[in-house]
Amino acid sequence: DAGVIQSPRHEVTEMGQEVTLRCKPISGHDYLFWYRQTMMRGLELLIYFNNNVPIDDSGMPEDRFSAKMPNASFSTLKIQPSEPRDSAVYFCASSFKGIGTNEKLFFGSGTQLSVL
Amino acid sequence: RKEVEQDPGPFNVPEGATVAFNCTYSNSASQSFFWYRQDCRKEPKLLMSVYSSGNEDGRFTAQLNRASQYISLLIRDSKLSDSATYLCVVYQEYGNKLVFGAGTILRVKS
Repeated sequence: DAGVIQSPRHEVTEMGQEVTLRCKPISGHDYLFWYRQTMMRGLELLIYFNNNVPIDDSGMPEDRFSAKMPNASFSTLKIQPSEPRDSAVYFCASSFKGIGTNEKLFFGSGTQLSVL
Repeated sequence: RKEVEQDPGPFNVPEGATVAFNCTYSNSASQSFFWYRQDCRKEPKLLMSVYSSGNEDGRFTAQLNRASQYISLLIRDSKLSDSATYLCVVYQEYGNKLVFGAGTILRVKS
């Protein structure tokens, strides 16, 4: 298996622009997570899906952020409009079972987002 | 107070040294515990789960002290390839979420 695949690896954009991050989870994994990592705040959970349904989006910072999972093999995280404080590494992760079962999380390589 | 706290380091140790990291968590209801490893500019990867009785995986030993709410990771005979950031991770059933510490940086030098 190729693992969790994220695109793009790097994104540089200007403030106010729309940014779309993409993720393909490992086939057969029912759970998909979006995390954000910064030096100041570490790794933060933004949202997670179970069987394509958003379960907890309490970590989404504000209405500028939205996430979708139209099918089992694809998810997007969109920021519109983007702001410089959104600059971070965004990781997608997937797991076969939920995180409460000692299940291992598999992370993608991340998207380094820079908003100028 | 952060939910999961770690000494950020860096810990600079010579090859062959033994090094230990501690991590404290604030929520006494936390149920499961893990150590993840993150190489520079890479994604986090599970290193090991932490069990109540303590567990060992090769040169790595993890311990859990529920009464004091801390977790430790011991690395024996450090290798250059052990250089990375080690993330302490706690699962909380309430909220069904994994909480990551900010990480401890380890640098092993020859």
